[in-house]
Amino acid sequence: SYDLSQPPSVSVSPGQTASITCSADKLGNKYVSWYQQKAGQSPMLIIYQDSNRPSGLPERFSGSTSGNSATLTISGTQTMDEADYYCQAWDSSTVIFGGGTKLTVL
Amino acid sequence: QVQLQESGPGLVKPSQTLSLICTVSGASIGSGEYYWSWIRQPPGKGLEWIGYSYYRGRSYYNLSLKSRVTISVDTSKDQFFLKLNSVTAADTAVYYCARCFSIGDQVWLDPWGQGTLVTVSS
Repeated sequence: SYDLSQPPSVSVSPGQTASITCSADKLGNKYVSWYQQKAGQSPMLIIYQDSNRPSGLPERFSGSTSGNSATLTISGTQTMDEADYYCQAWDSSTVIFGGGTKLTVL
Repeated sequence: QVQLQESGPGLVKPSQTLSLICTVSGASIGSGEYYWSWIRQPPGKGLEWIGYSYYRGRSYYNLSLKSRVTISVDTSKDQFFLKLNSVTAADTAVYYCARCFSIGDQVWLDPWGQGTLVTVSS
């Protein structure tokens, strides 16, 4: 099976840049999406097709891929960005999710 | 604005069938533009894709659940359905429905419903 690996947790200070990675074999050859899930809420799409933002999403969220990794970058992180973040890809007719990364803003 | 809403029993006995409905508003399932998907999340854990279905009945399932799951659609009501047979406590989770964009190998889910907690217990 195809596994997407994410760090369990990332910490960042308010106003700084947070980077969350997602790794898998030849991930750069696939299209990656990212979801934000705040406590008690359903997931929300924040990045699709590697680097596209849905309409209305703040520009501080960006995505990129290279080689075996995809990266979600949050510039000027705000306390409201504290959440779980999941990467997602498609492989062998299956939607695959990463294990999730808890972003703490402190 | 597209919205999805899950509904169904919050408690299912072991060995029975879990049945959920997702009602779509703001979009027509019969338009054929999208797939319609179910995802679940056990308490305190990550996301697990269950499967998705197209309005003409073509469906794809997570291999780990394929023997027990059926996803179907009713275009006349803009609803789609999840049935999961022979449930155990391991199937206890929040179940989400979502619209699925699928363009070749480019697949993403947006938006998601609010989710419904299903507990498997006697």
